[in-house]
Amino acid sequence: AQSVTQPDIHITVSEGASLELRCNYSYGATPYLFWYVQSPGQGLQLLLKYFSGDTLVQGIKGFEAEFKRSQSSFNLRKPSVHWSDAAEYFCAVGRNAGNNRKLIWGLGTSLAVNP
Amino acid sequence: DGGITQSPKYLFRKEGQNVTLSCEQNLNHDAMYWYRQDPGQGLRLIYYSQIVNDFQKGDIAEGYSVSREKKESFPLTVTSAQKNPTAFYLCASSPPGHKYEQYFGPGTRLTVT
Repeated sequence: AQSVTQPDIHITVSEGASLELRCNYSYGATPYLFWYVQSPGQGLQLLLKYFSGDTLVQGIKGFEAEFKRSQSSFNLRKPSVHWSDAAEYFCAVGRNAGNNRKLIWGLGTSLAVNP
Repeated sequence: DGGITQSPKYLFRKEGQNVTLSCEQNLNHDAMYWYRQDPGQGLRLIYYSQIVNDFQKGDIAEGYSVSREKKESFPLTVTSAQKNPTAFYLCASSPPGHKYEQYFGPGTRLTVT
């Protein structure tokens, strides 16, 4: 069965430090991969996506993610974290169910940023 | 400005009452989705619709109902049969030709007492 795992439930980093959020997926074919961010009490915003091609993808707010097929991973990175990056981050993979296209979601990683 | 709107932001109901959550989009998207979010459980799919007048159950459809009479609108009714309706509800839509990509509304927090 297809699944997405975000191993870290909660991460705390200092402002200005680098960040890496982990995402592992289980999927037989070439996956469609996404990272979303959610501020408290808000909807989700798409940070970046991978469909094919260059395995290093750039997103909004200075985030990037690298697709590694050999490791079934799609980790999110940012070189220098800002206090405003404190939020919940979700990784998702596209699931094709006949003519219906849905996303399988990880449980999220909560990011806290220390001043 | 184009976008997805959900109303109201906060909703309070007494146990045993049905309640309908609104989701409207003016993005000309074909597909629309309803998710439920509970702390520590991520997003769980309730219902989705790929086209007008058609919708399918998601992973946790019991106690919920939807309609899709217009492309722009996908209301969700939380019925009295839903055992634990208190949650944060998120609506999303997906543009044609964009594989799996979903855009979200701001959400509605439903509290049932």
